Amino acid sequence: QKEVEQNSGPLSVPEGAIASLNCTYSDRGSQSFFWYRQYSGKSPELIMFIYSNGDKEDGRFTAQLNKASQYVSLLIRDSQPSDSATYLCAVKRTAGKLIFGQGTTLQVKP
Amino acid sequence: DADVTQTPRNRITKTGKRIMLECSQTKGHDRMYWYRQDPGLGLRLIYYSFDVKDINKGEISDGYSVSRQAQAKFSLSLESAIPNQTALYFCATSDLAGGYNEQFFGPGTRLTVL
Repeated sequence: QKEVEQNSGPLSVPEGAIASLNCTYSDRGSQSFFWYRQYSGKSPELIMFIYSNGDKEDGRFTAQLNKASQYVSLLIRDSQPSDSATYLCAVKRTAGKLIFGQGTTLQVKP
Repeated sequence: DADVTQTPRNRITKTGKRIMLECSQTKGHDRMYWYRQDPGLGLRLIYYSFDVKDINKGEISDGYSVSRQAQAKFSLSLESAIPNQTALYFCATSDLAGGYNEQFFGPGTRLTVL
């Protein structure tokens, strides 16, 4: 079992819809969780982080964390074609290391 | 100017050659990382360094070595390149003081080993 798992997709949603990206992790002791966005051929950039159970909202993005279920998700409301990218989930391990999932490719169709 | 730079941006080399990838940062961060990215496998940690005197192996260090020449510079070497080291390589930095440990990535080096 991989430490951090994501569905590689592609996840295709129409413009204006809600995109839901999911991530599960195996280490129950994990404390902090991150969502990075990576456009094709570019480097990853942080869009959200969360460390408490529940929801965290930032503009059109909402991160959701459920530590009991070892599950973290990212919701993108009013999806735009510019949101089309690969979304990487990462979990912070001891000593500051991040373990990344394989990424989910999102396609937002006009 | 970019905060995290990598050189070269693209490199094609032959099996058995020694290759060095360089990373420099102007963010003043203590922590630096090297990752490789392969299609469908996400980012995998090769080596990381929390200060000039600290070097640690990551998930996939075999076949690689690193040097932390200064706080701002962290180099990755492939002593004898092989085709399965063909990948996109990223350097990243983070601030020791950052509670949530955001990592900032360089633009990447695309390496092809023939």
